[in-house]
Amino acid sequence: DAGVTQSPTHLIKTRGQQVTLRCSPISGHKSVSWYQQVLGQGPQFIFQYYEKEERGRGNFPDRFSARQFPNYSSELNVNALLLGDSALYLCASSLYRPQSAYGYTFGSGTRLTVV
Amino acid sequence: KNQVEQSPQSLIILEGKNCTLQCNYTVSPFSNLRWYKQDTGRGPVSLTIMTFSENTKSNGRYTATLDADTKQSSLHITASQLSDSASYICVVSGNYGGSQGNLIFGKGTKLSVKP
Repeated sequence: DAGVTQSPTHLIKTRGQQVTLRCSPISGHKSVSWYQQVLGQGPQFIFQYYEKEERGRGNFPDRFSARQFPNYSSELNVNALLLGDSALYLCASSLYRPQSAYGYTFGSGTRLTVV
Repeated sequence: KNQVEQSPQSLIILEGKNCTLQCNYTVSPFSNLRWYKQDTGRGPVSLTIMTFSENTKSNGRYTATLDADTKQSSLHITASQLSDSASYICVVSGNYGGSQGNLIFGKGTKLSVKP
């Protein structure tokens, strides 16, 4: 079985542009969470989606938005990019049963560089 | 406030030596605790997962312990190898939702193994 797939792996954008990042969860997983990880820091929670509905939102501006599709894949959109948005964006999928021992599996991330 | 604190922040050891990383958490409710290994620029990879009733769990040269009473966990690495150089992140999960998501991350310990 494939793991969590993220695309693209690397991306370079200029300030003010918009970007869309994509995530395909593990087959059977219905929850996708997005995290931003700035170099040298731990991941910061952005969004969680379960069954196509937003179930949690971190402290990020409205320039960040996301959605989940019927096949449980997800997109993260960032508008009006700032230099500070440069980071590794991680997607994690789960069955959305926090009590489950299986927990969360992360993708390899998308490295976004804003110049 | 739900928090996960790790120590030390960074660690340098010689190849072949053992080391122990610490994780203290003040998180409620508690579902499980995972140790992840994260290579630079890559997504975190799970090493061990422990639920409330588990005290010790091993994965090859990695052994994690959990004391749910004192809310402490440790990750012991035996006979370190150069490939162990990475950041090790302690993550506690539960049904928090909201602005935190379901995962509370430590900031990680950056381990460097030197020849």
